Amino acid sequence: RKEVEQDPGPFNVPEGATVAFNCTYSNSASQSFFWYRQDCRKEPKLLMSVYSSGNEDGRFTAQLNRASQYISLLIRDSKLSDSATYLCVVIYSSASKIIFGSGTRLSIRP
Amino acid sequence: GAGVSQSPRYKVAKRGQDVALRCDPISGHVSLFWYQQALGQGPEFLTYFQNEAQLDKSGLPSDRFFAERPEGSVSTLKIQRTQQEDSAVYLCASSVGLAGFNEQFFGPGTRLTVL
Repeated sequence: RKEVEQDPGPFNVPEGATVAFNCTYSNSASQSFFWYRQDCRKEPKLLMSVYSSGNEDGRFTAQLNRASQYISLLIRDSKLSDSATYLCVVIYSSASKIIFGSGTRLSIRP
Repeated sequence: GAGVSQSPRYKVAKRGQDVALRCDPISGHVSLFWYQQALGQGPEFLTYFQNEAQLDKSGLPSDRFFAERPEGSVSTLKIQRTQQEDSAVYLCASSVGLAGFNEQFFGPGTRLTVL
């Protein structure tokens, strides 16, 4: 079993729809969580950190469920420009132990 | 301002050849990371530097891989006797804080193809 798992997708949704995907992690010692976005043939860029209380940034909401060991990303009112691969990142207590998920591909259609 | 830069952007090597990949992090960033990303996969951690100290190299796949950051800024990832399975995009990232707890800024990557 991988330490960090994501549904690879692709998720193909119409513009304006709400879409959500999860990322599960296996190590309960995980300390920090992030969502990164990666466009095709580009480098990853930070989308948002994930806090225990959940956090929102515009149309994006991230949540952490420590009991069930997953983080989630919700995108409301999706735009064509949201089409990308979304990578979850889990950092363990050893600090330099950084695990990226394989990514979830999202495609928004007009 | 300048972001993280990497060179070369593309490298084609014959099997058995040595290669050196360069990373120029954002000025003042303490932490520097190297990752290997295969097609359709997320980045895999290779190694981490805090200034000039290599604090974690647990992700380096074999002793053919070597990284250094002698003056705490520019870093070089060297791969000796390249193999076909080394073909991937090598990403460098830097961060203002320690370890991975802060936002990492990635360079554009070096796409290595080993023939």
